[in-house]
Amino acid sequence: DTAVSQTPKYLVTQMGNDKSIKCEQNLGHDTMYWYKQDSKKFLKIMFSYNNKELIINETVPNRFSPKSPDKAHLNLHINSLELGDSAVYFCASSQESLSSGNTIYFGEGSWLTVV
Amino acid sequence: SQKIEQNSEALNIQEGKTATLTCNYTNYSPAYLQWYRQDPGRGPVFLLLIRENEKEKRKERLKVTFDTTLKQSLFHITASQPADSATYLCALQKAGNMLTFGGGTRLMVKP
Repeated sequence: DTAVSQTPKYLVTQMGNDKSIKCEQNLGHDTMYWYKQDSKKFLKIMFSYNNKELIINETVPNRFSPKSPDKAHLNLHINSLELGDSAVYFCASSQESLSSGNTIYFGEGSWLTVV
Repeated sequence: SQKIEQNSEALNIQEGKTATLTCNYTNYSPAYLQWYRQDPGRGPVFLLLIRENEKEKRKERLKVTFDTTLKQSLFHITASQPADSATYLCALQKAGNMLTFGGGTRLMVKP
């Protein structure tokens, strides 16, 4: 059973388009995240939601808009895609937010290529 | 600014040897340090967590040390196997804050 699942796994799109990545977790966790991993493999937090509420919004352009319809889902919508948005986007979840020593469960990643 | 450094060059070792990966940090006082494994085309998977008041943690063939004076963690895999080949990420966390990841070190274990 997949714990954190995200779709699509691969996405190739043209500059200027709008696209969405969906994420669902079946772990019963309260907190979900979106991370971006660039070509140098650095994982950077983008957003964090706790029980459907945004708690962390790192310096991410307004073109990125997360939406959490319930605590098991956190979708990422990207408007007006740019070449620099090409990366791997990971959805993740943890039992608690900002708590001591929480470990994070990652999805398999969504490879976004903007051409 | 806060910095987490892992050797960006791949570590190549022979099967059966002990692999040692390093994670150094500056301008940071983490309460927790975690290690994750990432295989190509997959998401990171949690391996071990060590607290600032712990010197060492073990799990099967894995051992992690945490030296807050040197600002360094060492990650050891004993009796390494080709299946251990992957990228290993360290991640630091202050109490009440998000995890911050290093860039990872790729380990290649040759048969």
